[in-house]
Amino acid sequence: DSGVTQTPKHLITATGQRVTLRCSPRSGDLSVYWYQQSLDQGLQFLIQYYNGEERAKGNILERFSAQQFPDLHSELNLSSLELGDSALYFCASSVEVAAYNEQFFGPGTRLTVL
Amino acid sequence: AQTVTQSQPEMSVQEAETVTLSCTYDTSESDYYLFWYKQPPSRQMILVIRQEAYKQQNATENRFSVNFQKAAKSFSLKISDSQLGDAAMYFCAYSGVNSGYALNFGKGTSLLVTP
Repeated sequence: DSGVTQTPKHLITATGQRVTLRCSPRSGDLSVYWYQQSLDQGLQFLIQYYNGEERAKGNILERFSAQQFPDLHSELNLSSLELGDSALYFCASSVEVAAYNEQFFGPGTRLTVL
Repeated sequence: AQTVTQSQPEMSVQEAETVTLSCTYDTSESDYYLFWYKQPPSRQMILVIRQEAYKQQNATENRFSVNFQKAAKSFSLKISDSQLGDAAMYFCAYSGVNSGYALNFGKGTSLLVTP
């Protein structure tokens, strides 16, 4: 158990819908990263937050957005869902924003878009 | 942008034998970290080993060690005395300042361990 929690574990929805994925980082971790794992794209970085502020963006679509709240939990919002958005979405947390800080991964949320 | 390449989609090793997984990367940064992550069938991402680019000594963690060749931009993972529990997907990853220290992953190598 990494200490990072993600809810829900599984999500099944239809095209065009909007969903919210939630992540609670390890106690004391200020940085949250979101990653998407799909068969087509592999594992790719979406977006990063540090202490409530956006710090870096990766290959995140305009239909996707995220935020980190004062209690440091983070939410990833996916809208106008398409079949290709079906993937495993990971949240990871670390103490700070630095390469030497290990990122601890949550168990992921499996999103299926029908 | 940094790219990470794992040229072996699948590898197979017998129990108790040694296997080496390959990884190459491309970067213009001088300081960065490299990682190997393991993803078993449970899908949980588990850090196996990490290497700082400024350290010449290769990292080791029990049965896992790396061969880091900075000039060649190569970072291979050696698993000694392979065990059935080592069967998993292995991802090589890069982290540097230009990407906000997010992990940039390769496509992965699926390791099969046979009895």
